[in-house]
Amino acid sequence: SQKIEQNSEALNIQEGKTATLTCNYTNYSPAYLQWYRQDPGRGPVFLLLIRENEKEKRKERLKVTFDTTLKQSLFHITASQPADSATYLCALVPNAGNMLTFGGGTRLMVKP
Amino acid sequence: GAGVSQSPSNKVTEKGKDVELRCDPISGHTALYWYRQSLGQGLEFLIYFQGNSAPDKSGLPSDRFSAERTGGSVSTLTIQRTQQEDSAVYLCASSLNLPPTDTQYFGPGTRLTVL
Repeated sequence: SQKIEQNSEALNIQEGKTATLTCNYTNYSPAYLQWYRQDPGRGPVFLLLIRENEKEKRKERLKVTFDTTLKQSLFHITASQPADSATYLCALVPNAGNMLTFGGGTRLMVKP
Repeated sequence: GAGVSQSPSNKVTEKGKDVELRCDPISGHTALYWYRQSLGQGLEFLIYFQGNSAPDKSGLPSDRFSAERTGGSVSTLTIQRTQQEDSAVYLCASSLNLPPTDTQYFGPGTRLTVL
């Protein structure tokens, strides 16, 4: 069966360090992968999209990698700040389809 | 400009009652999605509207769930004969066009509690 797995345990890191979140998938051939941020009581907010033929995408302090051989995406936040504390969701879009399938999200806590 | 809005923000209902949840997408957005998020879980796709095409209902969990989109704008998600397992946050999102590469903008959600 198709699965998208994100670490369900919270990731706690110190301010200034790099946070790395993982998104693994099985039995998918995604055309696109997106990362979202979700704060408590709010809807997710789009951060980055990466296509299957792209290895890496950057936006300010954010970096996403996409390894279709490993079936994995890594999401990095450099120079992390307490304001980065939130839940981060990855979402896949299959080659034939229009809808996103979301992982369960990983909660990031950045401590000052 | 205004983002995606949803109403009500919270809804408490008794088991067996029907509920209607409303979504106002961003003006001009042709695609509209409904998702469900249970406590501590990821988003579960429910239904998708794109322009005048027939909606993709493949994510609806049972025939108690239905949705419509009037005039290509406002959408209503209806849950009939609610059950306790329907308790969740219901999120709506819209995108300008060409999903899924186009950015989805989410509303704040409606928290449904079925007693």
